[in-house]
Amino acid sequence: NAGVTQTPKFRVLKTGQSMTLLCAQDMNHEYMYWYRQDPGMGLRLIHYSVGEGTTAKGEVPDGYNVSRLKKQNFLLGLESAAPSQTSVYFCASKTGGYNEQFFGPGTRLTVL
Amino acid sequence: AQSVSQHNHHVILSEAASLELGCNYSYGGTVNLFWYVQYPGQHLQLLLKYFSGDPLVKGIKGFEAEFIKSKFSFNLRKPSVQWSDTAEYFCAVNGGSQGNLIFGKGTKLSVKP
Repeated sequence: NAGVTQTPKFRVLKTGQSMTLLCAQDMNHEYMYWYRQDPGMGLRLIHYSVGEGTTAKGEVPDGYNVSRLKKQNFLLGLESAAPSQTSVYFCASKTGGYNEQFFGPGTRLTVL
Repeated sequence: AQSVSQHNHHVILSEAASLELGCNYSYGGTVNLFWYVQYPGQHLQLLLKYFSGDPLVKGIKGFEAEFIKSKFSFNLRKPSVQWSDTAEYFCAVNGGSQGNLIFGKGTKLSVKP
């Protein structure tokens, strides 16, 4: 099993550009998450999904949109990138209940 | 709202020293607690978790943590650290009705050879 994979690994954008980050998991997990990691801030939840076709806002959702059209995929979109969105983005997934989350390798995004 | 505090931002130890990283959480109900490790340039990996039962939890690579309910703490320990333990360590607690994790801000551990 590949676990949780993320595409791309690195990306540089100019302010105002848009992009989509893809997260895929092959563990048949119901729950999927998008976090951003910034120095000294830990991980902050952007959006999450509790199943195919459902999404919900996390702690820092502004400037991001998500979609979960297929159970195995969770997409994070930036419609108009800003320098404040320079960060490392992690996707995670888990089964239902209060179980541990499994993390992807991350995407390092720089917005100039 | 739930929150997690990790007291140490950066800890520097020599090899073979003992380690204890503090973690306190705020929540009055039943909690599930986790420690994750992030090696340089890598993703988060689960070190150990506590759901119920024995409050002393053993994880991978010789790590353990003790859940002390009265102190709202879940400190991570290792008797003798190695250079390969250099990493950032995150404490997390489940939060909200969806079981979302609330993370602390992390503690960087640097082990000098």
